Amino acid sequence: DVKVTQSSRYLVKRTGEKVFLECVQDMDHENMFWYRQDPGLGLRLIYFSYDVKMKEKGDIPEGYSVSREKKERFSLILESASTNQTSMYLCASSKLTGNYGYTFGSGTRLTVV
Amino acid sequence: AQSVAQPEDQVNVAEGNPLTVKCTYSVSGNPYLFWYVQYPNRGLQFLLKYITGDNLVKGSYGFEAEFNKSQTSFHLKKPSALVSDSALYFCAVRDTYSGGSYIPTFGRGTSLIVHP
Repeated sequence: DVKVTQSSRYLVKRTGEKVFLECVQDMDHENMFWYRQDPGLGLRLIYFSYDVKMKEKGDIPEGYSVSREKKERFSLILESASTNQTSMYLCASSKLTGNYGYTFGSGTRLTVV
Repeated sequence: AQSVAQPEDQVNVAEGNPLTVKCTYSVSGNPYLFWYVQYPNRGLQFLLKYITGDNLVKGSYGFEAEFNKSQTSFHLKKPSALVSDSALYFCAVRDTYSGGSYIPTFGRGTSLIVHP
């Protein structure tokens, strides 16, 4: 069964910590995405990548960075976690054109205290 | 630029009744349209998509959606709702004229509540 795996379902971190959220896909997809989901705001794109070592900013990249060293893995990094980054984080992947849809991971609910 | 709107934050329906979750879109070219469902504390699951062809698209769990080009709509429907259909539903669109950027835009989501 093809899938996108996010390493943690729930995570609690302290303000100022560096946080790594990991995402791995086994579908040989070119595109990978990181979204943030907040009530009433829907899904907001943080970063996406269409190839290894390539990355593009989404709508809300401030306070985040990403890394894609291998095709199957896309990491989201919170350089210095803040309470306003408490949220649900969703990773997704797709073939390059996205014509077949986008496959999502189960999400990581991050709480920054 | 592409955009999608889900005009209802919440839809309430009685079990056994038909349901409709609305979605309208705006694109420059032809749209690729998707519906996803999200259960609490889970990721989004693919329901169905429209790329081209028949305007009525059938998907998972008995859901279907009707593409209407003149009204720029892609409403999600189900003939008979189940309590287990209660979830958050997202519509998404991708423009064929995306300038090489194949990124979808998601709506804000509609919470569907099916009452027993």
